[in-house]
Amino acid sequence: AQSVTQLDSHVSVSEGTPVLLRCNYSSSYSPSLFWYVQHPNKGLQLLLKYTSAATLVKGINGFEAEFKKSETSFHLTKPSAHMSDAAEYFCVVTPRTGGFKTIFGAGTRLFVKA
Amino acid sequence: GAVVSQHPSWVICKSGTSVKIECRSLDFQATTMFWYRQFPKQSLMLMATSNEGSKATYEQGVEKDKFLINHASLTLSTLTVTSAHPEDSSFYICSAFPTGFPEAFFGQGTRLTVV
Repeated sequence: AQSVTQLDSHVSVSEGTPVLLRCNYSSSYSPSLFWYVQHPNKGLQLLLKYTSAATLVKGINGFEAEFKKSETSFHLTKPSAHMSDAAEYFCVVTPRTGGFKTIFGAGTRLFVKA
Repeated sequence: GAVVSQHPSWVICKSGTSVKIECRSLDFQATTMFWYRQFPKQSLMLMATSNEGSKATYEQGVEKDKFLINHASLTLSTLTVTSAHPEDSSFYICSAFPTGFPEAFFGQGTRLTVV
């Protein structure tokens, strides 16, 4: 069985300060892990992905995430928030074996204050 | 990169009518596609797995007779919301995995409003 827990439903930061969005996962299979961003009434955009290569993954727009197997975590970070980063962020897990059933976390709404 | 296209992007329909949403893989073949529903301020919930040439697999609690899925070709899956009611108003999104990609590619989503 798989599950994804995003630990914060809302995160609020000031522009120019670091961003941390937390994600923990549970998977019976070796997982692939992803972060997607969704702007209001829009589809999903892939930020970054972990698929068993380097544990520190760099994505688009300055985001990165570190896969920590011992902590079953895949937290998303960015050194300096920009107003355009305000959106909904989803942590997603897909097994690398046994099918492609993708499970979404509940989402974290990021607010960026000027 | 791979592209998944959804149509329409938004639709308003009267209660009791049916609405069809299309999901196309534009530059790859997809034997399997996935349909999700997203209510306001909530996450995406998998509704069903669409299988080319065979019946769709529905998640628990999803009415198969209400949400008809057809996957007649390797590039097209359709979701038909039959006898729609206001509670079916939601954002519907499809996805597919191109061969060689570990991540899903998502359509733009369809905002359905039933009045």
